[in-house]
Amino acid sequence: QKEVEQNSGPLSVPEGAIASLNCTYSDRGSQSFFWYRQYSGKSPELIMSIYSNGDKEDGRFTAQLNKASQYVSLLIRDSQPSDSATYLCAVQTGANNLFFGTGTRLTVIP
Amino acid sequence: DAGVIQSPRHEVTEMGQEVTLRCKPISGHNSLFWYRQTMMRGLELLIYFNNNVPIDDSGMPEDRFSAKMPNASFSTLKIQPSEPRDSAVYFCASRKRGSSYEQYFGPGTRLTVT
Repeated sequence: QKEVEQNSGPLSVPEGAIASLNCTYSDRGSQSFFWYRQYSGKSPELIMSIYSNGDKEDGRFTAQLNKASQYVSLLIRDSQPSDSATYLCAVQTGANNLFFGTGTRLTVIP
Repeated sequence: DAGVIQSPRHEVTEMGQEVTLRCKPISGHNSLFWYRQTMMRGLELLIYFNNNVPIDDSGMPEDRFSAKMPNASFSTLKIQPSEPRDSAVYFCASRKRGSSYEQYFGPGTRLTVT
């Protein structure tokens, strides 16, 4: 079983819609969770971090964490074509390192 | 402030040659990570350093790979000899001192071994 699993995608949503990206993790002791955005040919860019159960909002982005279900999600409201990218879920497992999911490719259709 | 700096951005080399990738972490960050990204395997951690000391190199694929961090502002990842299957994008990331686990990535080095 992989440490971090994501919807393989690709996910396509129309402009203005809500995009929902999901991630599950295997280590129940994980404490820190991150979403990275990666445009084609570019490096991963940190867009959200969440450490406690519940929702965390930052502009059009909302991260949701449910440690009991070992589930973390990212909602993107009012999706824009510029949001088209691969979104990587990362989970801190162990003392120092992050495990990354394989990513979900999102396409926002104008 | 400057982000993580990597060089070269692109490297094309022939099988059997030595390749050295370089990284300068963000000033004040005390942890440094080397990753490899391929379409097949995604983003894989190769090795990480805390305070210039290698902590976990279990992700280094073979003895052909080695990494050093001689000081807080510089690290190298060396492949000798290189093979075509080493072709990938290699990222360096750094993390600031403290309890946060947020990592910040450099632009990456795209390595092609022919």
